[in-house]
Amino acid sequence: DTGVSQNPRHKITKRGQNVTFRCDPISEHNRLYWYRQTLGQGPEFLTYFQNEAQLEKSRLLSDRFSAERPKGSFSTLEIQRTEQGDSAMYLCASSLFGLPGSSGYEQYFGPGTRLTVT
Amino acid sequence: AQKITQTQPGMFVQEKEAVTLDCTYDTSDQSYGLFWYKQPSSGEMIFLIYQGSYDEQNATEGRYSLNFQKARKSANLVISASQLGDSAMYFCAMREGRVTPLVFGKGTRLSVIA
Repeated sequence: DTGVSQNPRHKITKRGQNVTFRCDPISEHNRLYWYRQTLGQGPEFLTYFQNEAQLEKSRLLSDRFSAERPKGSFSTLEIQRTEQGDSAMYLCASSLFGLPGSSGYEQYFGPGTRLTVT
Repeated sequence: AQKITQTQPGMFVQEKEAVTLDCTYDTSDQSYGLFWYKQPSSGEMIFLIYQGSYDEQNATEGRYSLNFQKARKSANLVISASQLGDSAMYFCAMREGRVTPLVFGKGTRLSVIA
């Protein structure tokens, strides 16, 4: 069990550029979540998947944001036409839901991708 | 209205002493869950402890315990025998019903003093 990994760890981009982040969850986990954290705040939910299905999207997820989990394993989060307000830490988490022996509610987080838009 | 309120922006505690971090929550669901996470300066959110609304006993995990008072809607984290490595941000979070995305509070920064 290697934990949740995220790449890149840091990304600096110019306003208007597109960026893509990757998350690899804990291998047997079926749920994957994206959160955004700005300075001095707790994480805020963006979207989540169960296997390859995207089950919920927050109103924070504008149409410039898109997330995929094509084979139910890793996920990508793309931000198009970045704005300075997109600067934040993007956190990915995974959980094992609906299987015996697990409450399924504990979410395990990756180290995050820190995005800076200049 | 805020779903999760953490009223202590910062706390100090002497090494080896116990400390309580406050958390109150707001929900009308009967089924919900409360979590505490630790976030060191490296940025990773580390899961500490979970309490379900139907759990009759307070959750404990090593030096962490959750003081769950349902009628008061509070879920305070108690850290016993504080260590220097406990210095970090601590976040309280909640899931409502079977909805699993978490709602987080603004956090409390704990500093452990030698």
